[in-house]
Amino acid sequence: DARVTQTPRHKVTEMGQEVTMRCQPILGHNTVFWYRQTMMQGLELLAYFRNRAPLDDSGMPKDRFSAEMPDATLATLKIQPSEPRDSAVYFCASGLGPGTKSPNTQYFGPGTRLTVL
Amino acid sequence: AQSVTQLGSHVSVSEGALVLLRCNYSSSVPPYLFWYVQYPNQGLQLLLKYTSAATLVKGINGFEAEFKKSETSFHLTKPSAHMSDAAEYFCAVSVSYNTDKLIFGTGTRLQVFP
Repeated sequence: DARVTQTPRHKVTEMGQEVTMRCQPILGHNTVFWYRQTMMQGLELLAYFRNRAPLDDSGMPKDRFSAEMPDATLATLKIQPSEPRDSAVYFCASGLGPGTKSPNTQYFGPGTRLTVL
Repeated sequence: AQSVTQLGSHVSVSEGALVLLRCNYSSSVPPYLFWYVQYPNQGLQLLLKYTSAATLVKGINGFEAEFKKSETSFHLTKPSAHMSDAAEYFCAVSVSYNTDKLIFGTGTRLQVFP
């Protein structure tokens, strides 16, 4: 059963610390998305990649957030320095992309629950 | 620009009753429409998707949704609610055929009472 995996599942840190979240997309998927979910803002798209290249990161605060795909099996989202307002659940999703047998369909990981004190 | 509206942030039904969760998209017909379900402390799980092959789409766990172009709607239904259906449900639409981006609704929390 292919699934998106995310680590860590939970992270508690202090303000000012660096946080790195990792995502392993489903094998063979070439699109990766990062979302943030909060009670107030709901589900927000932060960034997404296709074939490891960033296509859209307009939803991401540029001064402190960065997203990369070092290789096809790993996506990272980094926050440096972290702030209390970054507390949220961060989801990674992957998909096959447009023009495929499962176009535009995204498969979500279990999320990383981040608490910044 | 494409948009999606979910009417009712909370819906409560009794076990065994009909479930109806509403979703309306903006006037331009999106390429694809989706319903996702999120159980507590979990990620979003795909329930079903519309890809223009058929207007009535059947999904997992007994859910189905009907695409109605005249009403710009894609409502989710289930004939008989089960306690395990309690979760948050998100409607989503694709932006275009050429991009992977989805626009998500704000979600509807379904409560099921015994």
